[in-house]
Amino acid sequence: AQSVTQPDIHITVSEGASLELRCNYSYGATPYLFWYVQSPGQGLQLLLKYFSGDTLVQGIKGFEAEFKRSQSSFNLRKPSVHWSDAAEYFCAVGADSWGKLQFGAGTQVVVTP
Amino acid sequence: DVKVTQSSRYLVKRTGEKVFLECVQDMDHENMFWYRQDPGLGLRLIYFSYDVKMKEKGDIPEGYSVSREKKERFSLILESASTNQTSMYLCASTPGLAGIETQYFGPGTRLLVL
Repeated sequence: AQSVTQPDIHITVSEGASLELRCNYSYGATPYLFWYVQSPGQGLQLLLKYFSGDTLVQGIKGFEAEFKRSQSSFNLRKPSVHWSDAAEYFCAVGADSWGKLQFGAGTQVVVTP
Repeated sequence: DVKVTQSSRYLVKRTGEKVFLECVQDMDHENMFWYRQDPGLGLRLIYFSYDVKMKEKGDIPEGYSVSREKKERFSLILESASTNQTSMYLCASTPGLAGIETQYFGPGTRLLVL
């Protein structure tokens, strides 16, 4: 069965510093991978997705992610975080042909001045 | 822009009550999903629907049922609410054109069962 692991439950980062959020997946075939962000009190918003092609994917709000098949990873990065990036981030993998997604437990990001 | 709306942002109910959570999408999407979100557990799929009147169980369907009488509306029903159903409930939809697609989420309903 597919599974997604986000090893970091909570990350604190200074404004202006770089950010990297880790995501590891378990999936037999070529995975369809997503990163979503949830701001406080809000639903989930898509940051970026990987289906095929270039393994470095650009998303909204200055985020990017790199698919590494050999490491079963899809880590999310941002070179310089802003206070508005404080949120919870979820990695997800496409689970079947019906379009179901398997989500990780999430990583809470706190941005300090 | 796809818009997914949920009938309530916050809801307080008593144990044993029947609870209806409503979700409406305005983009003629085929597929709709109900998740619950709990700290440390991420999102877990309760039910999904790939067509009107069609439904499939997700990973945690126990204690829940769903209804999809119209394409744009997907209801989650707690037949007899219990305190362990206190959670954040999120609805999502996808076009249903090609297998794995981006899911579009509503703002969520935070349910407290006393």
